[in-house]
Amino acid sequence: QKEVEQNSGPLSVPEGAIASLNCTYSDRGSQSFFWYRQYSGKSPELIMSIYSNGDKEDGRFTAQLNKASQYVSLLIRDSQPSDSATYLCAVKVDSNYQLIWGAGTKLIIKP
Amino acid sequence: GAVVSQHPSWVICKSGTSVKIECRSLDFQATTMFWYRQFPKQSLMLMATSNEGSKATYEQGVEKDKFLINHASLTLSTLTVTSAHPEDSSFYICSARALVDQPQHFGDGTRLSIL
Repeated sequence: QKEVEQNSGPLSVPEGAIASLNCTYSDRGSQSFFWYRQYSGKSPELIMSIYSNGDKEDGRFTAQLNKASQYVSLLIRDSQPSDSATYLCAVKVDSNYQLIWGAGTKLIIKP
Repeated sequence: GAVVSQHPSWVICKSGTSVKIECRSLDFQATTMFWYRQFPKQSLMLMATSNEGSKATYEQGVEKDKFLINHASLTLSTLTVTSAHPEDSSFYICSARALVDQPQHFGDGTRLSIL
C-alpha cells in the first residue's frame, strides 16, 4: 500500500528560526511532490512543488527531494507566527491520477 | 492564476435535505476535479475523482448514490449530498487540476451542518 508519512507534531519553532518539516514515502515510482499549507478551518493552499532531486527555493521556502532515500522536506527560513499551520505533504505516483496525502505536521511558531 | 471557486461556503439545513455544492476553476480548464471531506482535526479524505465528461471514480466506502458528482464541463463540477443526515456534517473541499503532472488547487471549502 502506498503511504506518505509525516510526524504529526506539533513542531514548535521560535520566531526567526528555521522550521524543518519532513515527509517520507513508500513508492519508488513517485514522480511529483507537493507541500500544502492548511490553516485551521481553511482549505489547503499550495506552497511548493518539486519534481527532481535537489533543492528548490521560493522566497523563504525551500523544498528538498531525495528520491534515493525517499524523502522530501520543506524548510521555512525566518519563521513568522503567520507560518503557524498544518503542513501537508502530497505525492503523486506514476500513472495514478490521485495524490497520496500525509496526515500533516502541525507547526507552531512562537513569538 | 489557478483560482478555484467553491460555493456555498457554509450550509445549515434540516435532515433529509439534498445539498448541492459547486466547484469552478476560474482561470484554467480542469480536466480532473477531486472532492474531499475533512472532519475536525483529521486529515483530508478523498471521496471521489472526476474527469470531465465521464463518471466519477469513488473511493472505497463512499456511497455513490449518496454523493452524486457531475463534471459536465472543464470548469465546473458539482457534488450533491442527497438526503443529508447529521453524520454527513463535515467540511467538503474540492480541488482542480489542469494536467496530470500539475498541482491540485483547492477551493475554499464548504462547511455543511445538518440539523
